[in-house]
This record gives sequence, C-alpha cells and structure tokens, in this order.
Amino acid sequence: NAGVTQTPKFRILKIGQSMTLQCTQDMNHNYMYWYRQDPGMGLKLIYYSVGAGITDKGEVPNGYNVSRSTTEDFPLRLELAAPSQTSVYFCASSRDRGTTEAFFGQGTRLTVV
Amino acid sequence: GENVEQHPSTLSVQEGDSAVIKCTYSDSASNYFPWYKQELGKGPQLIIDIRSNVGEKKDQRIAVTLNKTAKHFSLHITETQPEDSAVYFCAATLNDYKLSFGAGTTVTVRA
Repeated sequence: NAGVTQTPKFRILKIGQSMTLQCTQDMNHNYMYWYRQDPGMGLKLIYYSVGAGITDKGEVPNGYNVSRSTTEDFPLRLELAAPSQTSVYFCASSRDRGTTEAFFGQGTRLTVV
Repeated sequence: GENVEQHPSTLSVQEGDSAVIKCTYSDSASNYFPWYKQELGKGPQLIIDIRSNVGEKKDQRIAVTLNKTAKHFSLHITETQPEDSAVYFCAATLNDYKLSFGAGTTVTVRA
C-alpha cells in the first residue's frame, strides 16, 4: 500500500516558469490537501478538496491552482513561479474531515531562482 | 480563524529524560488536537491525538493532555530515545476541513 505519493521530490524553477506537482493516493480518501512548509512557520494550507470535482482555497492560495478530476489525483499547478514560492510542498489525504488522521506524502522541495 | 502557538521551537534532552512541548489555541470551539512527528526528509506522521471530551491520553511513552479552560494542550515523551529526535507539530481544528498547525519543535535526544 503506497499511501500518498508525490512527484517530483526536488525541482529547481526559474522565475516565471510553470510546473505541476503531482499527488496521488491509493486509500480511496475523499479529502485531499496541499500544504507548504516554510522554516519556523509550520504547515500552511494552500488548497483542499472534499471529493472529485470539488476544490476550495485554504490560507495561502495565491499563485496556485488545483484540480480534482478523480478521487486518486490532486495536482497542484504553479503558473508563474516566484521566489516567494520556494518551499517544501506536502500533499495529504484523509478519510474524513480534519478530525481524522491525515496521511502525508514525502514532500516536494521546490526552489525558484 | 484558529491560531496555534507552539513552544519551545527547539528542545535538547538527554537520552532517558522526558520532553514536554506545549501549544495554545485561540478558538474555544476547537475540538480535535493531533500531534504529528516529522523525521528528516519525510512527511509528517500522526503519533497521537486527543478530542475535546478527553483530558488526557497515553500511548506507551507518549501522552497528551488538554486543558480546555486555559486553551492549551501538551505532548509528553518519557524515557526519550535517539529515534525520538524529529520535528513535532501540534494542530487544532474546529471540526472543519482545515488543520491549523503550530510552528513546530525540533527535538534532539543526546546520547
């Protein structure tokens, strides 16, 4: 059972470039999340989804977009990369709302130069 | 929205000693308080959680206490071992989709 899988693990982008961070889960969870982790700041919610076709903004959505066409996949899109988007990104999923265990992927370390 | 503060930011303990991490939250309606452990190069993993109708919960060497009146909760690790070295995050939620995380505590267990 793979759990939550994120790709790539590392990426360097130039300012203005675009990329998609991939996330897939095999636990049939309805709820999926994208967080960013900055040093000394904890995890901040970017976007979340409560099921296929349904997404909503979290605390820090600016500069990002998401889609949820299937239960398994929840990609995060950066359209015009900026240095402020240098961070570690985590995808997570849960069986139910925030009051149940969230399972995290291993993260994507993104550097924008 | 919910605001969670976590202290200390770093904690160094001698192997075998206890470690305590404290968190406070702002929204008195929050009802679920998980603790996550993040090892180097990995994603956070749930180690213990507590709900608002419980004051204390234990699981082997780890325990969590909740004081709803004071709006704070704590993680206690007893008999620390080298494998306890990691970053620990507390979180709180209002029966919502969103977890509000603390800033994290880096725990180092000295041999």
